[in-house]
Amino acid sequence: DVKVTQSSRYLVKRTGEKVFLECVQDMDHENMFWYRQDPGLGLRLIYFSYDVKMKEKGDIPEGYSVSREKKERFSLILESASTNQTSMYLCASPSGTEAFFGQGTRLTVV
Amino acid sequence: QQPVQSPQAVILREGEDAVINCSSSKALYSVHWYRQKHGEAPVFLMILLKGGEQKGHEKISASFNEKKQQSSLYLTASQLSYSGTYFCGQGVNSNTGNQFYFGTGTSLTVIP
Repeated sequence: DVKVTQSSRYLVKRTGEKVFLECVQDMDHENMFWYRQDPGLGLRLIYFSYDVKMKEKGDIPEGYSVSREKKERFSLILESASTNQTSMYLCASPSGTEAFFGQGTRLTVV
Repeated sequence: QQPVQSPQAVILREGEDAVINCSSSKALYSVHWYRQKHGEAPVFLMILLKGGEQKGHEKISASFNEKKQQSSLYLTASQLSYSGTYFCGQGVNSNTGNQFYFGTGTSLTVIP
């Protein structure tokens, strides 16, 4: 059973903290993606990676960075969390024909 | 680069039909459709790979107009289980691989 696993379902962090969101896939896929989901705005692409140590900016990369040191793991980093980064974060790993999603991390920045 | 979906929200009675549209400003090589139940991850419904292709999945089908860079999802004789948020996903080919952009979402509620 294919799986994309995000390390936390819920997180509460303080403004200014450095936050790490982890995503692991067991499908040996090359591509991995990070999205944030907000009401009325759908899924917006933050960053994606097409290979180990390779990354590309999506539509809304400001305030975020990523790390891909191993093929199965793709981390999203909020360098200094702000309240406008309160959101649902979804990791996805596509095959050629379908995207597999993690369960999401609901991040609240207070 | 995010595809735009319409309508943003729709409420149906059981048995009614609905159409969800998805349009892109980019040339496409594929269109995906997903449904997300509240509190769950989006789940893949279908992919369309060729222009003009129509695919079906139970009473849910979709079409893809490559020239117009549009896709539509058709839900016929809707059931309560169809409620959720629907996303189109569009594959964009680039020199760094296949990028996936998802639409703004359509909230569909089916009521008895």
